Amino acid sequence: QSALTQPPSASGTPGQSVTISCTGTSSDIGGYHYVSWYQQHPGKAPKLMIYEVTKRPSGVPDRFSGAKSGNTASLTVSGLQAEDEADYYCSSYAGSVNFYVFGTGTKVTVL
Amino acid sequence: QLQLQESGPGLVKPSETLSLTCSVSGGSIISSTTTEYWAWIRQPPGKGLEYVGAIFYTGITYYSPSFESRLTISVDTSKNQFSLKLGFVTAADTAVYYCAKNRLGDFDYWGQGTLVTVSS
Repeated sequence: QSALTQPPSASGTPGQSVTISCTGTSSDIGGYHYVSWYQQHPGKAPKLMIYEVTKRPSGVPDRFSGAKSGNTASLTVSGLQAEDEADYYCSSYAGSVNFYVFGTGTKVTVL
Repeated sequence: QLQLQESGPGLVKPSETLSLTCSVSGGSIISSTTTEYWAWIRQPPGKGLEYVGAIFYTGITYYSPSFESRLTISVDTSKNQFSLKLGFVTAADTAVYYCAKNRLGDFDYWGQGTLVTVSS
């Protein structure tokens, strides 16, 4: 099972929006409604930001939103803030053999 | 608030077995639903996340095909812990290993992670 494909980097100025893509196949993203996104600051554990494509856990700002079309999912961070600078990983359920696959990761820089 | 904490040796010799335990506090490892599991995920230095496997509190396991031949995940409900054993390790197994609570589709609680280095 190959990793999901994400752009290595993305950036924006404070207040701008940034969108990160996550491309998979019909065996993972395209086949299930179980895409999640994680934020990871340096030296820290990942934090769940989006689950089931579009849902936000309690405590996650509504500046974070998720979407999916076909085999590609996306995470949009609106109104960028300095604390949003981090690595972001997507993940998808991939069925009863491979279970879960993660994305290659995107480093978001707030300029 | 649910908390997870990994523990185990930080250095393992090549060809030996990597053993880690995850202690769960603030909640029971015995799930009230059939869609709540306990997972291991790893992250090699400077690289991305990789799913290793998971276990249901009854002992049913789910192993990534990448590790299945040398992986054992077990659970001890009396201690509210679950464990990972990865055999025949090489330098490629050097990584930060995270334990996490695994709902169907996502990982909503994570431990802080523990670095395991494979070296002689």
